[in-house]
Amino acid sequence: RKEVEQDPGPFNVPEGATVAFNCTYSNSASQSFFWYRQDCRKEPKLLMSVYSSGNEDGRFTAQLNRASQYISLLIRDSKLSDSATYLCVVNPLGGATNKLIFGTGTLLAVQP
Amino acid sequence: EPEVTQTPSHQVTQMGQEVILRCVPISNHLYFYWYRQILGQKVEFLVSFYNNEISEKSEIFDDQFSVERPDGSNFTLKIRSTKLEDSAMYFCASSGRLETQYFGPGTRLLVL
Repeated sequence: RKEVEQDPGPFNVPEGATVAFNCTYSNSASQSFFWYRQDCRKEPKLLMSVYSSGNEDGRFTAQLNRASQYISLLIRDSKLSDSATYLCVVNPLGGATNKLIFGTGTLLAVQP
Repeated sequence: EPEVTQTPSHQVTQMGQEVILRCVPISNHLYFYWYRQILGQKVEFLVSFYNNEISEKSEIFDDQFSVERPDGSNFTLKIRSTKLEDSAMYFCASSGRLETQYFGPGTRLLVL
């Protein structure tokens, strides 16, 4: 089983649509979870951390289910500028000194 | 807003040559990382560095690779004898006391 697994997409959605991405991770002891965004040939940029209670940042909502080892990201009212690859990222041990493990990413294309 | 910078943005080298990739992390950060992304693949952890020593390294980070913080600002990745399969985008990242890692724009390395 892959350490972090995502549906690669692409997800083609019209502007204004709601879209959800899912991710599973294999290490049940993993401590910290993130969604990063990566534009084509650019660096990953932190979109949001994912907390056990779930968290929201504007149009973006992240959820974590530790029992199922499942992370989700919901984007409401999609904008053209949301088109990017969304990376599910896990820090297995937590803490600042530890490596991040990336999924392969889910490609989102928002159409006008 | 402070950011991680990397030089050069692109590097082309011949197989067997040495390359040094340079990074300037965010100034008050204490933890430094190198990741790589082969074209079309996921971002992979190479090495983490804290308090002037390697804190963790991956299987990819073999004897051909080394890291150094030669002064108070730069963080370098050296590949001693490049191979074709070293062709990738190399990202430097840094983090402060909180674990959020911020990525630089990357160096695209092409080994011919």
